[in-house]
Amino acid sequence: KAGVTQTPRYLIKTRGQQVTLSCSPISGHRSVSWYQQTPGQGLQFLFEYFSETQRNKGNFPGRFSGRQFSNSRSEMNVSTLELGDSALYLCASRLQGANTEAFFGQGTRLTVV
Amino acid sequence: AQSVTQPDIHITVSEGASLELRCNYSYGATPYLFWYVQSPGQGLQLLLKYFSGDTLVQGIKGFEAEFKRSQSSFNLRKPSVHWSDAAEYFCAVGGSGNTPLVFGKGTRLSVIA
Repeated sequence: KAGVTQTPRYLIKTRGQQVTLSCSPISGHRSVSWYQQTPGQGLQFLFEYFSETQRNKGNFPGRFSGRQFSNSRSEMNVSTLELGDSALYLCASRLQGANTEAFFGQGTRLTVV
Repeated sequence: AQSVTQPDIHITVSEGASLELRCNYSYGATPYLFWYVQSPGQGLQLLLKYFSGDTLVQGIKGFEAEFKRSQSSFNLRKPSVHWSDAAEYFCAVGGSGNTPLVFGKGTRLSVIA
């Protein structure tokens, strides 16, 4: 069974630009969560989508948004990029809810210059 | 809301020595607990999980963890560390009601000869 696939693996963007990251979950998994990982803050939860609906949301500004498609693939978008948005963005897929483990992709390394 | 504390930012152990990584959680009900490992530049790999039942759980790569409700702890152990265990380790807690996983800030493990 294929794992969680995130594309692209690396991105370099300029301040003020926007970016879209993609995540394809494990087949059959309906939940996709996004995390931002930085050396100082660790893993911070951005949002979770389940069956095309946002089920949970973390404490991030509105510049961070996401969506999920009918095939469970998810995208996250960051508009008006700031230097502080440089991070590893991780996607995790779960079969359903809290009592199922999350499987992570390898992440997208975003660098904002 | 749930939270996780990993008190040790960095631990160094000798190859062949035993290992214990500490994790304390805060959650009002029975938690779902996880340990993940991350190699540099990679995503997170699940080592083990606790949902219910036996408080001592076995995972992959020879790791085990013990759930102690009275101490709100879920410490990770390994009897003999290998150089390949050098990585960052994250403890995570989830709860019922489809709450998102909340991670600790991680413990970086270095292994010396």
